[in-house]
Amino acid sequence: GDSVTQMEGPVTLSEEAFLTINCTYTATGYPSLFWYVQYPGEGLQLLLKATKADDKGSNKGFEATYRKETTSFHLEKGSVQVSDSAVYFCALNRETSGSRLTFGEGTQLTVNP
Amino acid sequence: DAGVIQSPRHEVTEMGQEVTLRCKPISGHNSLFWYRQTMMRGLELLIYFNNNVPIDDSGMPEDRFSAKMPNASFSTLKIQPSEPRDSAVYFCASTLDGISYEQYFGPGTRLTVT
Repeated sequence: GDSVTQMEGPVTLSEEAFLTINCTYTATGYPSLFWYVQYPGEGLQLLLKATKADDKGSNKGFEATYRKETTSFHLEKGSVQVSDSAVYFCALNRETSGSRLTFGEGTQLTVNP
Repeated sequence: DAGVIQSPRHEVTEMGQEVTLRCKPISGHNSLFWYRQTMMRGLELLIYFNNNVPIDDSGMPEDRFSAKMPNASFSTLKIQPSEPRDSAVYFCASTLDGISYEQYFGPGTRLTVT
């Protein structure tokens, strides 16, 4: 079945550091890929997405590129801020699964001033 | 749009009591999801409705849990009887099927069963 694997957390960085959170997936066909973010006390919200190979999703300084050859969708940001502290979830959707998303386990990011 | 609305935001109840969580999806969305989030098990899909019909309830833990969607603008998740291990944050999410597959999450209901 479909699965998403994220790098283990928690991740702790200093402000302005470079961020990478690794995400790899297993799925048949050509899934769409997503990164969701969950700020403390809130629900998940979409951060960025990519729907086909080599697409790059970007938002709020975050980027991720859909790499079909390595089945990966790593999240990056060049300079993190304290306000980026949150839990980040990688997810995939296969059209044949309807609207269902398969989520990774989440990665807790803490950015210190 | 007001987004996905959930109520109550917090619920504290005693073991054995019935608990009902409520969700109003975004107007025009035709798919609705109930999730449970705990530290131990992460984010789990409980049930998925499409056009008010349950499509996949394989994630519902046991018979104590039930979910309904009587119309396109309202859904409930009921736990009867509740147990301490049901303590979690329960999220509702909705989407418009076949468009972007982006799910919009509500703020969640934090349930504590003592």
